[in-house]
Amino acid sequence: GDSVTQMEGPVTLSEEACLTINCTYTATGYPSLFWYVQYPGEGLQLLLKATKADDKGSNKGFEATYRKETTSFHLEKGSVQVSDSAVYFCALSGDTGGFKTIFGAGTRLFVKA
Amino acid sequence: DARVTQTPRHKVTEMGQEVTMRCQPILGHNTVFWYRQTMMQGLELLAYFRNRAPLDDSGMPKDRFSAEMPDATLATLKIQPSEPRDSAVYFCASGLNRATHYEQYFGPGTRLTVT
Repeated sequence: GDSVTQMEGPVTLSEEACLTINCTYTATGYPSLFWYVQYPGEGLQLLLKATKADDKGSNKGFEATYRKETTSFHLEKGSVQVSDSAVYFCALSGDTGGFKTIFGAGTRLFVKA
Repeated sequence: DARVTQTPRHKVTEMGQEVTMRCQPILGHNTVFWYRQTMMQGLELLAYFRNRAPLDDSGMPKDRFSAEMPDATLATLKIQPSEPRDSAVYFCASGLNRATHYEQYFGPGTRLTVT
């Protein structure tokens, strides 16, 4: 079945450092891909999405490109802030799963001042 | 700013008691999801509804869990009887179905502790 694998955390960075969180997926067909963010004590929020190959999703300085050839959707940000500290989830939604969203295990990010 | 609301935010109960969690989806959303989040299992889909009809509840232990949508403004998740292994954060999400995916908006969650 469809699945998502993302890098294990925690990831600890200093403020203004570059961020990359790796995400790869397994799916038949052409799923939509997402990054969600969860701040402490809150529910998940959609950060960005891409619905077809080569699309780039972007929001709040974060971006990710749908790479079909490598089945990847890595999350990047050029300069992180303390307020970016959260758990980041990669996810997919495909027609083989009835368009249910399949989430990765999450990657916790700590940003130090 | 429309939001999904969930009540209660925290619940502590003893093993064997009934627990009811409530969710008010965003007005106009036609899909409601129930998830459970634990450190060990991560985020698990328990059940979801579209236009108030259950589409899939295969992620839910049927013997003790039940999910309903009595009307468009209320979704409920019940556990009877509760067990310590049910301790988790339960999230409701509402959304719209697009052509290729569901766009989901999560509530703040109900943190359940069963002693």
